[in-house]
Amino acid sequence: GAGVSQSPSNKVTEKGKDVELRCDPISGHTALYWYRQSLGQGLEFLIYFQGNSAPDKSGLPSDRFSAERTGGSVSTLTIQRTQQEDSAVYLCASSLAGSRDEQFFGPGTRLTVL
Amino acid sequence: GNSVTQMEGPVTLSEEAFLTINCTYTATGYPSLFWYVQYPGEGLQLLLKATKADDKGSNKGFEATYRKETTSFHLEKGSVQVSDSAVYFCALGGRGSTLGRLYFGRGTQLTVWP
Repeated sequence: GAGVSQSPSNKVTEKGKDVELRCDPISGHTALYWYRQSLGQGLEFLIYFQGNSAPDKSGLPSDRFSAERTGGSVSTLTIQRTQQEDSAVYLCASSLAGSRDEQFFGPGTRLTVL
Repeated sequence: GNSVTQMEGPVTLSEEAFLTINCTYTATGYPSLFWYVQYPGEGLQLLLKATKADDKGSNKGFEATYRKETTSFHLEKGSVQVSDSAVYFCALGGRGSTLGRLYFGRGTQLTVWP
């Protein structure tokens, strides 16, 4: 079956612009996660959606970052007023439920802020 | 809090050499432990996992044993191949208020020469 897909694969933007990153999880997976992979910080958790529960947003680095998940499926990560330190690979993952289950990762979106 | 420390790379080995990548963790309770692998140009994928103390995860000739007494989950392979060249990440699955998150180590780059 299809894996986790993310779009765009690459995004170059100017400082101060807003960007939207999209994630399509594996069909039937109720849990969805966003992570950020950067040279300086490694792999960092950003946000976790589980079913209809309120998302765990505690990993979002600032109020410029937000995410939503529509219809329990597709998710969008939005970064407002981008800064150069936002440059990273943004990874989306999904799983059946809970942290004991394997998280399946998408290929990532490489964001470059000039 | 939860954290993972893994061996700094890069690691360079000849084909058929023995591999060990050390991983230790700090956590409350009994987290699940994972090794993920990222092959060149590909996304993160689960290599193996263990969900309780003394469990051994294994896959593709790789093994890791969940050692509660030493809070370790070292990755081993008896005979590496060129195709094992990749970045390896040790990870811990959060519990309680951090349920759903994976906490990753910084990654270890492995290069295997023929």
